[in-house]
Amino acid sequence: QFQLQESGPGLVKPSETLSLTCSVSGASIFNSGYYWAWIRQPPGKGLEWIGSLYYSGQTYYKPSLKSRVTISMDTAKNQFYLKLTSVTAADTALYFCASQVERSCSGGTCLTWFDPWGQGTLVTVSA
Amino acid sequence: DIQMTQSPSSLSASIGDTVTIPCRASHDISTYLNWYQQKPGKAPRLLIYAASYLQSGVPTRFSGSGSGTDFTLTISSLQPDDFATYYCQQTYSTPYTFGQGTKLDLK
Repeated sequence: QFQLQESGPGLVKPSETLSLTCSVSGASIFNSGYYWAWIRQPPGKGLEWIGSLYYSGQTYYKPSLKSRVTISMDTAKNQFYLKLTSVTAADTALYFCASQVERSCSGGTCLTWFDPWGQGTLVTVSA
Repeated sequence: DIQMTQSPSSLSASIGDTVTIPCRASHDISTYLNWYQQKPGKAPRLLIYAASYLQSGVPTRFSGSGSGTDFTLTISSLQPDDFATYYCQQTYSTPYTFGQGTKLDLK
């Protein structure tokens, strides 16, 4: 099975931009049938889907974050990225990248699940 | 957004017990429901997809059932490694949403 690994600064100042990288090994991100996703988890809280990216470049985001989020990819480096602008303390979280599998699509809806996940990287927003 | 509700938020059980963890969706999501296990400081691990399909490599003591709005994760013959937090997730429509989790601890 392939692996994912997040990387990026562990501390970001309020109002600045959070930038994370997810490096994929053992599979090509330019592979039809896979989306690539970002999910976060504030300390002691539950999981929140941020957004997903298809190999074609198509993206979709959680509406409440859409104005601040960009997910992109570099197929040559086999990496995809998260940028979150104008961060506040509420953006402090453990950030995960994951492979988003889609199967048995019918009428525009597909069976979808996240597997595997990266180990996560903690980002703290603080001055 | 589709709200996913997991209640109770915590559950106590003993080794060898069979436990059921419920999850309710605010709208009919058919079988677009996944279950994950998470241990402290670790990434979630996929257990069940499409409500009832066991992910490869997951022990057969884990099973999932349900459709529409009500779902259940069942763990038979609890093992020490099973004490963790369990999350349900709907992927019927975006934004994909998770339940708040049920923490399973040792009685």
